[in-house]
Amino acid sequence: SAVISQKPSRDICQRGTSLTIQCQVDSQVTMMFWYRQQPGQSLTLIATANQGSEATYESGFVIDKFPISRPNLTFSTLTVSNMSPEDSSIYLCSVAPPRGRRETQYFGPGTRLLVL
Amino acid sequence: AQSVTQLGSHVSVSEGALVLLRCNYSSSVPPYLFWYVQYPNQGLQLLLKYTTGATLVKGINGFEAEFKKSETSFHLTKPSAHMSDAAEYFCAVSESGAGSYQLTFGKGTKLSVIP
Repeated sequence: SAVISQKPSRDICQRGTSLTIQCQVDSQVTMMFWYRQQPGQSLTLIATANQGSEATYESGFVIDKFPISRPNLTFSTLTVSNMSPEDSSIYLCSVAPPRGRRETQYFGPGTRLLVL
Repeated sequence: AQSVTQLGSHVSVSEGALVLLRCNYSSSVPPYLFWYVQYPNQGLQLLLKYTTGATLVKGINGFEAEFKKSETSFHLTKPSAHMSDAAEYFCAVSESGAGSYQLTFGKGTKLSVIP
């Protein structure tokens, strides 16, 4: 499995500001995913970020609010723009392994965001 | 479209007792099924998965799950609960052959282990 790190691990932000979350993988992967886990809720897929193509967003998520970059095969960023308290969540990135069974996703530790 | 239903948002068991966490799924094609565990203030860790082949799958920490197509279920069990098993458990499904590998998660079951 891949080793995934996220920065920051947690943050407290003011409404109206933006936060960029970084996801770093220790091996080259094609498929990366970004999820949101609202307090007490399950995980919801925000977008799929494959290197070399534009991110694909799920229903209810838009690029203006959650712009994603995928500059190479080991790194991605998710920006939460113009934040409101409703954006307080855990944001997790995940990857499908570069080899073997690609249907399995491995998750980073998450970024815990509180918006005041 | 795929979906996952986890019965029971909270389950409490005594230390040493059987753990049974229920998961039912809906999928229009043969599913891939997963159980993940989330310890407090941590990300998700893969416990086990079913893709093809043997329907009884064994995972880490003594957990296992059985894929029952006729019941559209993938319940998670462990014969004897340990205090360290206290966590939140998520069942997830993806559709085989879809190529997108998107996971759909259930709402999660928080497991408490009573000493």
